[in-house]
This record gives sequence, C-alpha cells and structure tokens, in this order.
Amino acid sequence: AIWMTQSPSLLSASTGDRVTISCRMSQGISSYLAWYQQKPGKAPELLIYAASTLQSGVPSRFSGSGSGTDFTLTISCLQSEDFATYYCQQYYSFPYTFGQGTKLEIK
Amino acid sequence: EVQLVESGGGLVQPGGSLRLSCAASGFTVSSNYMSWVRQAPGKGLEWVSVIYSGGSTYYADSVKGRFTISRDNSKNTLYLQMNSLRAEDTAVYYCARDRLRGQPDAFDIWGQGTMVTVSS
Repeated sequence: AIWMTQSPSLLSASTGDRVTISCRMSQGISSYLAWYQQKPGKAPELLIYAASTLQSGVPSRFSGSGSGTDFTLTISCLQSEDFATYYCQQYYSFPYTFGQGTKLEIK
Repeated sequence: EVQLVESGGGLVQPGGSLRLSCAASGFTVSSNYMSWVRQAPGKGLEWVSVIYSGGSTYYADSVKGRFTISRDNSKNTLYLQMNSLRAEDTAVYYCARDRLRGQPDAFDIWGQGTMVTVSS
C-alpha cells in the first residue's frame, strides 16, 4: 500500500491569509492525486484532481501542484467558507488511500 | 441532476450483516467505476471497495472476505453487502463515483452517507 503523510494536521489562519497543505507519498504516483474539502456532517467535495486541475465550480483561489511524491494544496485568500477539513487522496494504485486530514480553523 | 442516495444503515450486533444501497440518478452506475468510502466517528476517510464498469472488484484488506460490492443495472443501484461485522466497522459509509468513465479517477459525486453502528 502507498502511505501518505499529510501536514499539518491542524492549521490556524485568518480570513485573507494564504495557506498551504502538504501531502507526501511513500512512492511515486505520477499525478494521480485529488484534494477534497469536508465540512462537519457533510460528504467530501472534490476540489482538485490530477494534482493540479480545478474541479468545475471550485473557486480559483484553490490551486494544487506537484507530481511524483510531493504535492501541495494552496488557498490564496481564505474566505470564511473555507474553514473545513481537507484530505488528499491517491488513486494511482489499490488500495486507494487518503491523507490523515488537515483541519483549517479560524485563528 | 446527478446524485447518489445511500440507504440501509443502522444498528447491528457484532457478527451480524447489513446491506447498504446507493441509488444513482442522472447517470448510469454501470458506466463508471463506483466506490464505497467510510469514515469512523471523528476520524479520516478510508476507501473500502470499488467495482469497475466491467465488473471487476477490489477491496481494502480490512474488509476483504467479509464485504461484497455489487450493482443492479436495472435499478441503477450500487450495493455493499457487509457480513461478519465488527465494532471497528462502525462508520458513515459513502458511495462515490469516479469522475471519468472507464479509468481510475478522483471521486466527483458523493452520496450523503449512511451510518452503520456495530454494537451489542
């Protein structure tokens, strides 16, 4: 199985800040990586696929980068609705695996 | 509208069985890879199983031999048969659709989730 290390697990920030979340793989996965946002009591929502492609309808302040083993999700100017938990996921090989999650909270 | 609606969750005793359903609308379940993903209370996401459009299936080691994924094309519905349930299977179970047809991809459509509680 491919192990994923997502960091940080908790991130405190303010509206308007720029934040970065990292995801590191135990082996290369090319660009088979997705990022999801999850709010309490709700299903996850797809933000980015193929490491850097924005899902339709997702605001452009979200961006993804990386390939191989190191990936990053950046939110350029935090809005109030962005405070949530974020997960990375690899779909390169089975079993698909998710990162441990990053809870983005208001400072 | 493209959507997934799960049902079938509930309280079951350890060792018991439960079948979850995921009814799809706005697209054909048999055309996409379809997965089940679960989330234990207060924990992260865990992929459980996938069924390919061609019918091949794959499972996480934690459920292999106990869970079976299937679909009914006439009902456009995905299923997860869960046997020999354990306390550690307690979670919200989501069904999810791969974004692209016929190849592994990110999950672009998720159901609302159904809660399974395994307890005596």
